[in-house]
Amino acid sequence: DIQMTQSPSSLYASVGDRVTITCRASQNINKYLNWYQQKPGKAPKLLIYAASHLQSGVPSRFTGSGSGTDFTLTISSLQPEDFATYSCQQSYSNFRSFGQGTKVEIK
Amino acid sequence: QVQLQESGPRLVKPSQTLSLTCTVSGGSVNTGDCFWTWIRQHPGKGLEWIGSVYHSGDTNYNPSLNTRVTLSVDTSNNQVSLKLTSVTAADTAVYFCARDPLLVVPAARRGAFDIWGQGTMVTVSS
Repeated sequence: DIQMTQSPSSLYASVGDRVTITCRASQNINKYLNWYQQKPGKAPKLLIYAASHLQSGVPSRFTGSGSGTDFTLTISSLQPEDFATYSCQQSYSNFRSFGQGTKVEIK
Repeated sequence: QVQLQESGPRLVKPSQTLSLTCTVSGGSVNTGDCFWTWIRQHPGKGLEWIGSVYHSGDTNYNPSLNTRVTLSVDTSNNQVSLKLTSVTAADTAVYFCARDPLLVVPAARRGAFDIWGQGTMVTVSS
């Protein structure tokens, strides 16, 4: 099975900051990488699919990049509603798997 | 618009079987367009993929749960079910059902969980 590793596990940032989260796959997954945002008590919400494609309705301050084993999620200018946990997920294998999540907290 | 709703007992005793149902509304569970998937989240932890089921009954399971989990589709009630046997406190978690699209436009969105239920918290305790 494919292991997904995110870093950092948490970070502190201020409104307006640029934030970058990384996700590494244990093997080549091409561009089959998706990102989710989750707020407390809620289901995850799809942000980015296929590494770099923005899901409909997601603000353009979210961007994704990468291919192969290394991927990044960038928030260009952090907004108050962006404080949440972000998770990556591979869809290269039918045996799906997630990263452990990155919690973005207010500095 | 497809919506998903999980239901089932909130409290399960150790060694018993956890049984949850995901009711699909606004669409048919009997479709080749997607996998129906269960995902769980232990308190304060990350998301864990449990497994997926196709409308034909074909399944894929997380290897760490493979010996205890069964997913199935009930087309008459438009539901997807999860059974997890021999539960312990380690199975205490929020359980989500989600749609894993296979035939989707754009095709790049394949495998990205686009619709989720609200989740249901299940506690394993005597």
